[in-house]
Amino acid sequence: AQKITQTQPGMFVQEKEAVTLDCTYDTSDQSYGLFWYKQPSSGEMIFLIYQGSYDEQNATEGRYSLNFQKARKSANLVISASQLGDSAMYFCAMKTHNDYKLSFGAGTTVTVRA
Amino acid sequence: NAGVTQTPKFQVLKTGQSMTLQCAQDMNHEYMSWYRQDPGMGLRLIHYSVGAGITDQGEVPNGYNVSRSTTEDFPLRLLSAAPSQTSVYFCASSPNLNTEAFFGQGTRLTVV
Repeated sequence: AQKITQTQPGMFVQEKEAVTLDCTYDTSDQSYGLFWYKQPSSGEMIFLIYQGSYDEQNATEGRYSLNFQKARKSANLVISASQLGDSAMYFCAMKTHNDYKLSFGAGTTVTVRA
Repeated sequence: NAGVTQTPKFQVLKTGQSMTLQCAQDMNHEYMSWYRQDPGMGLRLIHYSVGAGITDQGEVPNGYNVSRSTTEDFPLRLLSAAPSQTSVYFCASSPNLNTEAFFGQGTRLTVV
């Protein structure tokens, strides 16, 4: 079974600074995908970024990048140049490629200060 | 594009009542799933389906039933509501194993 760990319940970051959200995972499968979702106070789940276990390059999407360290089983999300609108809950998730089930971490709340 | 549509958005039930949370997607995705979100616990998988006529249990299936008669619809039934089922429920769909899941807007359910 997959397990996702997010050890930071909450973080504060100053506007325009970068913030790193930690995510570690545990799986015995070699083929898997890692996802980050954002949940603002309005409640919807917004997909941010995806990293496949065989991808050689770290994924990037605009101000979001994923620091993927396969040997350490970590998939940290980096948000650069934080904006007030980045204040939200962020979830790390994983699914293996032989199974549709998406397993989530407990989430990290990010608060961006002006 | 509507994407994944959940109804209702809010619901209050009395203990012991039954109800169905509706989920529909218009993207022709084979895989659909239901999650519940509770504070400090992330999203936990209740039931999922890999296609019409095929369903299976997730991590927390007790007290819930599902069926998948069409590709588009995946309703979640609460058989006899309990206060422990107070939660936010999300329906999601995805086209294949390697892509992200698309989520509905969520249903906030309170059982009193």
